[in-house]
Amino acid sequence: QSALTQPASVSGSPGQSITISCTGTSSDVGGYELVSWFQQFPGKAPKLLIYAVSNRPSGVSNRFSGSKSDNTASLTISGLQAEDEADYYCSSYTDATTRVFGGGTKVTVL
Amino acid sequence: EVQLVESGGGLVKPGGSLRLSCSDSEFSFSPYSMNWVRQAPGKGLEWVSFISSSSNVIYYADSVKGRFTISRDNAKNSLYLEMNSLRAEDTALYYCARDGSGYRLLDSWGQGTQVTVSS
Repeated sequence: QSALTQPASVSGSPGQSITISCTGTSSDVGGYELVSWFQQFPGKAPKLLIYAVSNRPSGVSNRFSGSKSDNTASLTISGLQAEDEADYYCSSYTDATTRVFGGGTKVTVL
Repeated sequence: EVQLVESGGGLVKPGGSLRLSCSDSEFSFSPYSMNWVRQAPGKGLEWVSFISSSSNVIYYADSVKGRFTISRDNAKNSLYLEMNSLRAEDTALYYCARDGSGYRLLDSWGQGTQVTVSS
């Protein structure tokens, strides 16, 4: 049950766009359209941002978007804002069990 | 609004046991699959266990298989995690999380309950 691979950190200036990658295998990310992304602030529970690769729950800003190509999923934050500074995690359904998470990416707004 | 509340965490010695609970007084558990996810101090999220709505499908992470048991009581709107043979590496904040409808996996989370395994 290997974790999905995310960059440890990504940074950008206000107004810029940043992209966080999430790399798995054909048994998880590449095999299913069931990648999710979560946002977590310190001391808080994770919040679902994107489900089923590219869908946003109601109430989530359209500045957040998701995509997938082969075994790699991506989360793009457009128009980066100071309030976006948080940890971001990807997750995928997997053959082996049912869920696997990425290691997390810390987003810093410069 | 979904408001999951976990309880049952605490300080336990290595080899000890704990039973975590998760409930919500506002929504009915029964149609939804549920999960436990944990987060060690300063670390990332780790999926722990899954149970289907009718309890007929259950999965565990390799790290807890044979030591943890997930269960649910739909009549009581409650989810449980029985943890035995606890190890220092089980120290974490344990969250329960619901799988919503329409592939909204892990769409609602509780605030977590802290489990600390230390002598």
